[in-house]
Amino acid sequence: DSGVTQTPKHLITATGQRVTLRCSPRSGDLSVYWYQQSLDQGLQFLIQYYNGEERAKGNILERFSAQQFPDLHSELNLSSLELGDSALYFCASSVRTGGYNEQFFGPGTRLTVL
Amino acid sequence: GQNIDQPTEMTATEGAIVQINCTYQTSGFNGLFWYQQHAGEAPTFLSYNVLDGLEEKGRFSSFLSRSKGYSYLLLKELQMKDSASYLCAVSPGNTPLVFGKGTRLSVIA
Repeated sequence: DSGVTQTPKHLITATGQRVTLRCSPRSGDLSVYWYQQSLDQGLQFLIQYYNGEERAKGNILERFSAQQFPDLHSELNLSSLELGDSALYFCASSVRTGGYNEQFFGPGTRLTVL
Repeated sequence: GQNIDQPTEMTATEGAIVQINCTYQTSGFNGLFWYQQHAGEAPTFLSYNVLDGLEEKGRFSSFLSRSKGYSYLLLKELQMKDSASYLCAVSPGNTPLVFGKGTRLSVIA
């Protein structure tokens, strides 16, 4: 158990809908990262927050947005869902944003868009 | 830009030794991580190298050559449970880790 929690574990929805994925980082970790992993694909970095502020942006679509709240939990919002958005979405956290910044991953949310 | 290369797939026999290579070109370097990921599960930390040389941890070892932009993960006494993807990730500095696409290792009897 990495100490990072994600909810829900599974999500099934229809095209055009909007969903919210939630992540709680390890106690003491200030940085939260979101990744998308499609079937047989590598981890695609989406976005990073550090202590409530956006720190880095990767290949995140305009239909996707995220935020980190004062209690450091984070939410990833996916809207106007398409079939291609079906994937595993991982959240990870780390103490710092550079240097030895080992990331601890949550169990993931498996999103299925029908 | 940032680029990390590792083989897509490898197959090895139970009890054998396998070496998974990783080459990288990044704008900065503050360490290299190896993660293990079983299918459908979260990546888990295996090793970290920031200085040149070999780091050994049980059946797993990781090597780094900063001048060559090269690392490898060595797995000894392979077990069936070692079948997984192995991800190489570089810390370029004050930015998030850059992950390679992963090497899918199949251990066969």
